[in-house]
Amino acid sequence: TQLLEQSPQFLSIQEGENLTVYCNSSSVFSSLQWYRQEPGEGPVLLVTVVTGGEVKKLKRLTFQFGDARKDSSLHITAAQPGDTGLYLCAGETNAGKSTFGDGTTLTVKP
Amino acid sequence: EAGVAQSPRYKIIEKRQSVAFWCNPISGHATLYWYQQILGQGPKLLIQFQNNGVVDDSQLPKDRFSAERLKGVDSTLKIQPAKLEDSAVYLCASSLFLLGTVGYTFGSGTRLTVV
Repeated sequence: TQLLEQSPQFLSIQEGENLTVYCNSSSVFSSLQWYRQEPGEGPVLLVTVVTGGEVKKLKRLTFQFGDARKDSSLHITAAQPGDTGLYLCAGETNAGKSTFGDGTTLTVKP
Repeated sequence: EAGVAQSPRYKIIEKRQSVAFWCNPISGHATLYWYQQILGQGPKLLIQFQNNGVVDDSQLPKDRFSAERLKGVDSTLKIQPAKLEDSAVYLCASSLFLLGTVGYTFGSGTRLTVV
């Protein structure tokens, strides 16, 4: 069973600050997705990373896939209250099986 | 494109009762997933369909949970009888391919409370 550990579990920051959240595993994944989930809604896909060492940018969000494809990070620059939510990572194996982490709950205070 | 539709949005039942959830995936998406998300946790896969065939149901509690996708389009998930620990959000997701490198599209979920 692949296990994805996300840290920190909770993060509360002021608007304008930068932050990084992590997703770690002992397993190798063929791809890894990051999702953001707001209360009462399903997760919404932010990005998929496939290649070891890959870096993808989405406006103020920067996603990195580890060289060994076992870990990933999400960095947010100048966080805004609209970034508040639960950030989930999900790793997928070559067999098409996905495992989700338990997420990082981010609160950005105005 | 229309998203993944789920109903009902909320359901409250007593333990030992039965309940069913419905999901209509994005048109053309061959792969459909049911996830259980307990408060404070990430989604846990219950069952994965490819068209109308089951790809993975290894984590489905088959003594009480069942799911079907008869025509390879919409799907139902049933719990009979429900237990208190079944209280959770049940999420349906779909993807175009079996390998979800393009990610999944989730519905808004059904929040089940068992009392």
